[in-house]
Amino acid sequence: EAQVTQNPRYLITVTGKKLTVTCSQNMNHEYMSWYRQDPGLGLRQIYYSMNVEVTDKGDVPEGYKVSRKEKRNFPLILESPSPNQTSLYFCASSLGALARFSYNEQFFGPGTRLTVL
Amino acid sequence: KQEVTQIPAALSVPEGENLVLNCSFTDSAIYNLQWFRQDPGKGLTSLLLIQSSQREQTSGRLNASLDKSSGRSTLYIAASQPGDSATYLCAVGGTTDSWGKFQFGAGTQVVVTP
Repeated sequence: EAQVTQNPRYLITVTGKKLTVTCSQNMNHEYMSWYRQDPGLGLRQIYYSMNVEVTDKGDVPEGYKVSRKEKRNFPLILESPSPNQTSLYFCASSLGALARFSYNEQFFGPGTRLTVL
Repeated sequence: KQEVTQIPAALSVPEGENLVLNCSFTDSAIYNLQWFRQDPGKGLTSLLLIQSSQREQTSGRLNASLDKSSGRSTLYIAASQPGDSATYLCAVGGTTDSWGKFQFGAGTQVVVTP
């Protein structure tokens, strides 16, 4: 089944304790992206990756890191989490650059609910 | 910076009525616009994708139009059903400066009453 998976789905942690949220897709998509969703603010893009080893900042990258060493994986790293990073996080993927002027439908993972105490 | 607005923020209609959801954006130089549905506590489900060169897309009871020059898209849902109750989000993709960037509207929360 074609899908985007995220782990963990729920995480409660404490301020300053490094964590990684994994994202994996099995559709051979070039493009992957991370978003956070907060009440009243909607979804905001954190980072995106056009392809392996190519990443760029979205609108709210502060406090986050990403890496894209393999096509299928795009982990989100919080080196020193703070309470203002408590949020619902979504990973998404799409065909990407090759489909730039044609279809570029984004498919989303189920979300990771993160609480930082 | 691209700003995406969805009006109304919430909408309640009786079953059978047609739904009209609006999405507006400030920078018309976009590559595509995508409509999603989100159920409470769940992820996003893609409904329709409109490329910048297209005027509309249809899927079943859903029809989405795009007017780039005026910075607007409209999602029509015909003959609404209680199962259509959800939050509907639009996202605009890419600009001439940054193809990979996407901005979302805050969503329209829809309730269809039996």
